[in-house]
Amino acid sequence: EAQVTQNPRYLITVTGKKLTVTCSQNMNHEYMSWYRQDPGLGLRQIYYSMNVEVTDKGDVPEGYKVSRKEKRNFPLILESPSPNQTSLYFCASTRDRRDEQFFGPGTRLTVL
Amino acid sequence: GENVEQHPSTLSVQEGDSAVIKCTYSDSASNYFPWYKQELGKRPQLIIDIRSNVGEKKDQRIAVTLNKTAKHFSLHITETQPEDSAVYFCAASKSDMRFGAGTRLTVKP
Repeated sequence: EAQVTQNPRYLITVTGKKLTVTCSQNMNHEYMSWYRQDPGLGLRQIYYSMNVEVTDKGDVPEGYKVSRKEKRNFPLILESPSPNQTSLYFCASTRDRRDEQFFGPGTRLTVL
Repeated sequence: GENVEQHPSTLSVQEGDSAVIKCTYSDSASNYFPWYKQELGKRPQLIIDIRSNVGEKKDQRIAVTLNKTAKHFSLHITETQPEDSAVYFCAASKSDMRFGAGTRLTVKP
């Protein structure tokens, strides 16, 4: 089954404790993205990657890191999480940026 | 960078009526404009998209129009049904993807 998976689905952590949210897709897609969704703000792109070893900042990259060592995986790293990073995070992948994006199920992160 | 504005933020219609959601964008180089539907507690899913070389696209009860000169695009849903109730997001893409803030559509039976 073609899908985008994210782990964990829910996470409660404390300020400053490094965490990684994994994202994996099995569709051989070139383009992957991370978004955060906050009430009233819609979806905001954090980082995107157009291919292996190629990553670019989106609209709100501060406080986040990503890597793309393999085509299928695109982890999101929060080196020192802060409460303002409490949000719902979605990973997405697409064959081409001008094509349908397939979203993962979301990760609800709470930083205390 | 690109800025996408979406209106209205909430929209309530009677079943069978039409619904229109409008978006404007700022970067004339944007060339791909998708619309996503997100039901409560679910992930966003694409419902229709349009590229900048096309002015209008239709898929059954859903249509999107694009005015490149004015830098705005709209989603039209005809004969609305209760299952159309959701949050709808427009987006504009050049290399990155910028989304509007969303429109909560409620279709009353």
